[in-house]
Amino acid sequence: GAGVSQSPSNKVTEKGKDVELRCDPISGHTALYWYRQSLGQGLEFLIYFQGNSAPDKSGLPSDRFSAERTGGSVSTLTIQRTQQEDSAVYLCASSSPNYSNQPQHFGDGTRLSIL
Amino acid sequence: KQEVTQIPAALSVPEGENLVLNCSFTDSAIYNLQWFRQDPGKGLTSLLLIQSSQREQTSGRLNASLDKSSGRSTLYIAASQPGDSATYLCAVGVLGDYKLSFGAGTTVTVRA
Repeated sequence: GAGVSQSPSNKVTEKGKDVELRCDPISGHTALYWYRQSLGQGLEFLIYFQGNSAPDKSGLPSDRFSAERTGGSVSTLTIQRTQQEDSAVYLCASSSPNYSNQPQHFGDGTRLSIL
Repeated sequence: KQEVTQIPAALSVPEGENLVLNCSFTDSAIYNLQWFRQDPGKGLTSLLLIQSSQREQTSGRLNASLDKSSGRSTLYIAASQPGDSATYLCAVGVLGDYKLSFGAGTTVTVRA
């Protein structure tokens, strides 16, 4: 498809386990963003990539969270030693380089549940 | 820090009525403002993007205005339909920053 693709769509895991979330942006989009959507918290920014570089990691909640992007395309968000407060929907978005007049396109998200 | 507020939090109208959704933001140094729609269990769909130099954007039954100096945007949806039922989110991009700052959304129900 032509949109942003995220996998898995749902993930249930036990507290303390590591999880990896994947994002496939729209082809040609050099900018990639990860957001988290929690009940009662709204949408919060996690990290931004331009190409393979992450100039803004300011939103990562703790050092248990990391992300990488390879080949200027696919990105993975890794959460180590998951905690119950990590339960949320993790959304990925991509956009073309001229972000001032181009919208961010979102995937359907990964719904993460920590037991 | 940019704060984005959306009022009301929820809205229920009969089919055919016009919808008015409000968004306010605290930092007027923005490069754009975007309105998104989110259906349950889905991601966000971009509806309209207004650049900071623009005053409004229109797409079909949707019209969004931007008053940067007062920190306000309004989304108008004309002749609402049950298919318009969704959560509408406002987001602003601040100059010198890459991320979008989101409001909490307005959940709209259009009754048939």
